[in-house]
Amino acid sequence: SQKIEQNSEALNIQEGKTATLTCNYTNYSPAYLQWYRQDPGRGPVFLLLIRENEKEKRKERLKVTFDTTLKQSLFHITASQPADSATYLCAPVDGNKLVFGAGTILRVKS
Amino acid sequence: NAGVMQNPRHLVRRRGQEARLRCSPMKGHSHVYWYRQLPEEGLKFMVYLQKENIIDESGMPKERFSAEFPKEGPSILRIQQVVRGDSAAYFCASSGWGSSGANVLTFGAGSRLTVL
Repeated sequence: SQKIEQNSEALNIQEGKTATLTCNYTNYSPAYLQWYRQDPGRGPVFLLLIRENEKEKRKERLKVTFDTTLKQSLFHITASQPADSATYLCAPVDGNKLVFGAGTILRVKS
Repeated sequence: NAGVMQNPRHLVRRRGQEARLRCSPMKGHSHVYWYRQLPEEGLKFMVYLQKENIIDESGMPKERFSAEFPKEGPSILRIQQVVRGDSAAYFCASSGWGSSGANVLTFGAGSRLTVL
């Protein structure tokens, strides 16, 4: 069955640094992959989508890469801010639905 | 333009009772998804519906759980004879399948079910 792995430990970084979050998947080949942000007590919010034929996608301070050979996506936040602290969810598509990873908690300290 | 509306936000039930969770998708969206999130765990897919049709229910437990999305009105996730293990946050998401051909999901704030 499909398996999605994200950094299980929380990522603590200093304000202004670049945060890099990892998503690895096995046993399938998604046509696209999405990243969401979730704050405590709230629903996830869509951030970025990247397709299998795209190597990289950018939006403001966010960058996503997608390596279909390694079966891995990396999510970068440059010039991180305390407001970026949240849980980030990786979600490859599986047929007609998104399958979510457990998420990585990011804490940005000022 | 209201987003995805879920209610109730919090629901407390005793073991054996029924829980009904409602979801109104974003205006113009005809696809509804239900996910369950247990504490410290990720979102687990339950069911995908379009108006009057269940498209994919591969994540739904075989017993006690059912979902519908009628022609008129909100989508409803129904849990009969609740047990303590049903305590979780239930998220609804909707999508309109944009021109890009990808289903970007808009989530509601969730319904938090506590079973005593």
